[in-house]
Amino acid sequence: GQNIDQPTEMTATEGAIVQINCTYQTSGFNGLFWYQQHAGEAPTFLSYNVLDGLEEKGRFSSFLSRSKGYSYLLLKELQMKDSASYLCAVRDSNYQLIWGAGTKLIIKP
Amino acid sequence: ETGVTQTPRHLVMGMTNKKSLKCEQHLGHNAMYWYKQSAKKPLELMFVYNFKEQTENNSVPSRFSPECPNSSHLFLHLHTLQPEDSALYLCASSQDPGGGVETQYFGPGTRLLVL
Repeated sequence: GQNIDQPTEMTATEGAIVQINCTYQTSGFNGLFWYQQHAGEAPTFLSYNVLDGLEEKGRFSSFLSRSKGYSYLLLKELQMKDSASYLCAVRDSNYQLIWGAGTKLIIKP
Repeated sequence: ETGVTQTPRHLVMGMTNKKSLKCEQHLGHNAMYWYKQSAKKPLELMFVYNFKEQTENNSVPSRFSPECPNSSHLFLHLHTLQPEDSALYLCASSQDPGGGVETQYFGPGTRLLVL
């Protein structure tokens, strides 16, 4: 079966750095997405990786290793507004998105 | 403002009721999706419409009935639901359900409670 694993919850301190990991086993691979979802709100697109390596976008970076079935989202200079759930999703060989359950990130002052 | 709206935002219904969820996208996209989001579980894709034609139906029970009259509107008709159907129902749209950085834009969801 297809599976996306990510930690259920993480806690970090304002101003620090946090890395949220995602591992996947899917039938084929056509890209990996990270979405942010604040409580009670819609998921919003953060990043997309299809080739191995690091994609940087401001305070957020996303890394992919296709051979290891592994990705991480790196958040720097954490702010209180970064408290949210972070969803990892992989597009499989049928171009269907397979979603992880999300990682709830709690930022403490 | 994401360009995808959903109504109602909250809905409480009994198991014998019939209700409908509405989604509208103002982004000129060609594909629309219904997802179910339950607490601490992955998003579950329910239905996909591409150019108004249903292209995916992920073994969803017949008590959920989608309707897509045009590429901007999507409905989810509900009847004789079960308490386990209580969840957040998210609508999304994208330009095309294909390759590339094909980003899905989500609506705020309808929080459904079935009593």
